[in-house]
Amino acid sequence: DIQMTQSPSILSASVGDRVTITCRASQNISNWLAWYQHKPGKAPKLLIYKASSLQSGVPSRFSGSGSGTDFTLTISSLQPDDFATYYCQQYDSYSPFMFGQGTKVEIK
Amino acid sequence: QVQLQESGPGLVQPSETLSLTCTVSGGPVSSYFWSWIRQPPGKGLEWIGNIWYSGTTNYSPSLKSRLFISVQTSKNQVSLKLSSVTAADTAVYFCARAPSLGYFYESGGYLQRLDAYDVWGQGTMVTVSS
Repeated sequence: DIQMTQSPSILSASVGDRVTITCRASQNISNWLAWYQHKPGKAPKLLIYKASSLQSGVPSRFSGSGSGTDFTLTISSLQPDDFATYYCQQYDSYSPFMFGQGTKVEIK
Repeated sequence: QVQLQESGPGLVQPSETLSLTCTVSGGPVSSYFWSWIRQPPGKGLEWIGNIWYSGTTNYSPSLKSRLFISVQTSKNQVSLKLSSVTAADTAVYFCARAPSLGYFYESGGYLQRLDAYDVWGQGTMVTVSS
């Protein structure tokens, strides 16, 4: 299985902060990586696909980068609506399509 | 606007079969991959498996022996059946849609790739308990 390791598990930040979440794959997945935002009781929301492509309708303060094994999700200026849990997911190999363990972004 | 709605029993007895349906509205099931993903209480997301609208499936190895996913194009529905459930199967179950990217020639053969999950249902909570 391809393992996905996210860090940190919890991130405390303030409105306006620049936030960075990292995701590492246990083997090369090229750019087959997505980032999702999930709030309790809601459907997860696709933010970034193919590592760096912004999903339609997602604010431009979200950006993704990386390829191979190391990836980053950046929120340039954290907004109140951004407090949520974020997951990376690889979709390169049916090994299965593993998710990272999640990063909870909470109010500092 | 495509919407997905999961439905099924909220309580299942241990050792029995969990059956869920995902109803797709506002768009066809054709030409997409459809997946099931779950989230146990207090834990992260776990990929269960997916199906191409024509019926080709891929399952998580840890669930493969108990899992069956099917698609009913005439009803615009995707179904999940998970047999011999235990308390460890207690979770919120989501269905999700992934666009197909077509076929790629890789490692000496053709691989049908899918893109990220762009539409998700709200999820349905299933508790396994007697």
